[in-house]
Amino acid sequence: DAKTTQPPSMDCAEGRAANLPCNHSTISGNEYVYWYRQIHSQGPQYIIHGLKNNETNEMASLIITEDRKSSTLILPHATLRDTAVYYCIPHGSGNTGKLIFGQGTTLQVKP
Amino acid sequence: SQTIHQWPATLVQPVGSPLSLECTVEGTSNPNLYWYRQAAGRGLQLLFYSVGIGQISSEVPQNLSASRPQDRQFILSSKKLLLSDSGFYLCAWSVGRKAFFGQGTRLTVV
Repeated sequence: DAKTTQPPSMDCAEGRAANLPCNHSTISGNEYVYWYRQIHSQGPQYIIHGLKNNETNEMASLIITEDRKSSTLILPHATLRDTAVYYCIPHGSGNTGKLIFGQGTTLQVKP
Repeated sequence: SQTIHQWPATLVQPVGSPLSLECTVEGTSNPNLYWYRQAAGRGLQLLFYSVGIGQISSEVPQNLSASRPQDRQFILSSKKLLLSDSGFYLCAWSVGRKAFFGQGTRLTVV
């Protein structure tokens, strides 16, 4: 599995966009980039994933660089409820493969 | 729709006592199943991973074990708990690449 590097913490003002970077320079060709978040005292929650095209859903947007060595999760209008630890996880294709969480980025949304 | 059930929500056990945490998944078949542990203030540690009945991969040597007696049932056990086993235990399932987590069990070993 590819290694990832994320900043340990970030702050964001409420209502502003939160841009969370992730470096995954050793990602292999068949690995997707998955993003999860964990709100305090809850289980992680799936946010979004992508292979090489940018993706958007009701929760967030995912921008993946052309060389696939890094990606950015964008929360367009952060709210206080978005305060959580955000994890970027390269994950192999198919129905197998372990899901390994790194240290993630603690996002603090401030009023 | 798929749901995952994990119980109990909280548990206080004495050192040396046995442990059994159960997780069941509904609405899907042949899921990958996972047990994670999160110590206070720490990250998620993958403990066990299963791709099918009776197929368990252990990620971290410890006094815990896991079993998968049925397709959608995953059990975490210990014969004798240690103080260091305290933590937040999470069960998860996936089919394909998305994983879905239970609400967790907060275990305190005293």
